[in-house]
Amino acid sequence: QVQLVESGGGVVQPGRSLRLSCAASRFTFSSYGMHWVRQAPGKGLEWVAVISYDGSIKYHADSVKGRFTISRDNSKNTLYLQMNSLRAEDTAVYYCAKGEFWGAAGAIDNWGQGARVTVSS
Amino acid sequence: QSVLTQPPSVSAAPGQKVTISCSGSSSNIGNNYVSWYQQLPGTAPKLLIYDNNKRPSGIPDRFSGSKSGTSATLGITGLQTGDEADYYCGTWNSSLNTGEWVFGGGTKLTVL
Repeated sequence: QVQLVESGGGVVQPGRSLRLSCAASRFTFSSYGMHWVRQAPGKGLEWVAVISYDGSIKYHADSVKGRFTISRDNSKNTLYLQMNSLRAEDTAVYYCAKGEFWGAAGAIDNWGQGARVTVSS
Repeated sequence: QSVLTQPPSVSAAPGQKVTISCSGSSSNIGNNYVSWYQQLPGTAPKLLIYDNNKRPSGIPDRFSGSKSGTSATLGITGLQTGDEADYYCGTWNSSLNTGEWVFGGGTKLTVL
């Protein structure tokens, strides 16, 4: 079945940068929209960003707009999240997730196991 | 404050039925499909219902979804202790020239 494996998480100081990667397999990655969703400790799910199948359409949550950037490399079946100017409130588990079809609005139908990001001095 | 409103918690006895509501607006639920997710303790979320009322393969028919206007409902019948989890609704939220995916705040189900 669909496999999504996140990497790149860790502990980082406030104001620094981090890039998350998500290796996708067992489906045609280049045909589907992809999301990042995060979950702060003890809190609910918060959507972060989505990218269309070809990267032409991107949306980011207001809470990360201007600091985070979603991107993808279809030749490598990999999704990315570049996180700059990190804040303590960005501390969360970050999930890579697959969309139902090519665009941004379809259901999120598969999730990775998550990458933990801790922003602390 | 989540765009979609869910009750923080619901509870019921094993074998009983429970419903979880999700309330939104015309910008989200009113004009888009709703999906529901189950998150068991310490695990990633899993899709339970998509397109308001469809179940992915492998999801038992004890789980059902419905939508009316700007609200949606998840129903679970024949409750089992293994159903204890957090449940989230989600949908696309459309606004002028942009969009975003939104989740409800989550509902913790306790099977007494």
